[in-house]
Amino acid sequence: QKEVEQDPGPLSVPEGAIVSLNCTYSNSAFQYFMWYRQYSRKGPELLMYTYSSGNKEDGRFTAQVDKSSKYISLFIRDSQPSDSATYLCAMEGSASKIIFGSGTRLSIRP
Amino acid sequence: DGGITQSPKYLFRKEGQNVTLSCEQNLNHDAMYWYRQDPGQGLRLIYYSQIVNDFQKGDIAEGYSVSREKKESFPLTVTSAQKNPTAFYLCASSMGGSLNEQFFGPGTRLTVL
Repeated sequence: QKEVEQDPGPLSVPEGAIVSLNCTYSNSAFQYFMWYRQYSRKGPELLMYTYSSGNKEDGRFTAQVDKSSKYISLFIRDSQPSDSATYLCAMEGSASKIIFGSGTRLSIRP
Repeated sequence: DGGITQSPKYLFRKEGQNVTLSCEQNLNHDAMYWYRQDPGQGLRLIYYSQIVNDFQKGDIAEGYSVSREKKESFPLTVTSAQKNPTAFYLCASSMGGSLNEQFFGPGTRLTVL
């Protein structure tokens, strides 16, 4: 079993829809959770991070962590074609290493 | 401009040749990382270095080597021992420590013919 599981998609939604991206993890010691966005043929860029359970909002993006269920989510409101990318969840592992999910490919249809 | 640079963007090599990928950062970060990304597999850690002159193997180090002689530079050599070297290679850096925000370079796509 992988430490971090993420549905690879692809996920295709119409412009303006609310998008929900999710990851599950197995290690209850994880404390620090991140979402990266990666455009095609580019390096990932950090989108959001959280250090506790609950919600964190930044503009159209909301990151949610449920430690009791070992489940994290990223919600995108009013989705735009420019949000089309691969979204990677990530968690801080041991010795300053990050464990990445496999990424979900998202496409927003105009 | 602060950031991480990787060169070249695209690299072609013949099978059996060693090749070195460059990674430079001017963020004054202590830690640097190399990842490999294959379709549908996310990022897999090859090597990482938390301080100059020290580095550790990641999850898929076989067939790769690194050096960290300067804080700013962390080159990766893909040797002929790496059985499937064709991939997208990403370099990242972070300040280090327990809260570990990693910043990525633009990547190098290596194709071995």
